[in-house]
Amino acid sequence: GQQVQQSPASLVLQEGENAELQCNFSTSLNSMQWFYQRPGGSLVSLFYNPSGTKQSGRLTSTTVIKERRSSLHISSSQTTDSGTYLCAMGPTSGSWQLIFGSGTQLTVMP
Amino acid sequence: GGIITQTPKFLIGQEGQKLTLKCQQNFNHDTMYWYRQDSGKGLRLIYYSITENDLQKGDLSEGYDASREKKSSFSLTVTSAQKNEMAVFLCASSTTGYEQYFGPGTRLTVL
Repeated sequence: GQQVQQSPASLVLQEGENAELQCNFSTSLNSMQWFYQRPGGSLVSLFYNPSGTKQSGRLTSTTVIKERRSSLHISSSQTTDSGTYLCAMGPTSGSWQLIFGSGTQLTVMP
Repeated sequence: GGIITQTPKFLIGQEGQKLTLKCQQNFNHDTMYWYRQDSGKGLRLIYYSITENDLQKGDLSEGYDASREKKSSFSLTVTSAQKNEMAVFLCASSTTGYEQYFGPGTRLTVL
């Protein structure tokens, strides 16, 4: 079935450092989303990014459809960026569900 | 903008009990979803609904029922709670085929 591989599983940074999170998809995709989740918190949609590059503040998402991958770049990290970052692929024709990766646990140290 | 509300926020049940979780959205979205999140694992789809009175099974539908009473609300029932079960249930909504927005979650503990 469809699979989503996220890397790294965990990442520890010093405040001010940059981070690059990766998602690879086992099948062709029509669209994907990046989410942020605090411990015990809900999912906040960061990007809905079918293809190309999108930027919001210090966050940049780049999705390359034909290479089945997406990346999330966090520049000048802050302690408040700590949490779990999840990517998900879909929906695709015939299925409206999102297929989620297992997440990257980011910790930004002061 | 809009908001998704889920009730209750915390749900404690007994083994074998039938438990109902509720979700409301005011985005006027067509499609609503129920996902389950277990500690250390990604989210898995239980049920979704693309319009009022429609129900579609996800990968994890066994042991659950769902009901789309109206466009704005979607309920999930755990038909028989399993002992020591702990999970977070997340409701989401979207314009069909597009970006999904999530509610705050219901945290289930079964004693």
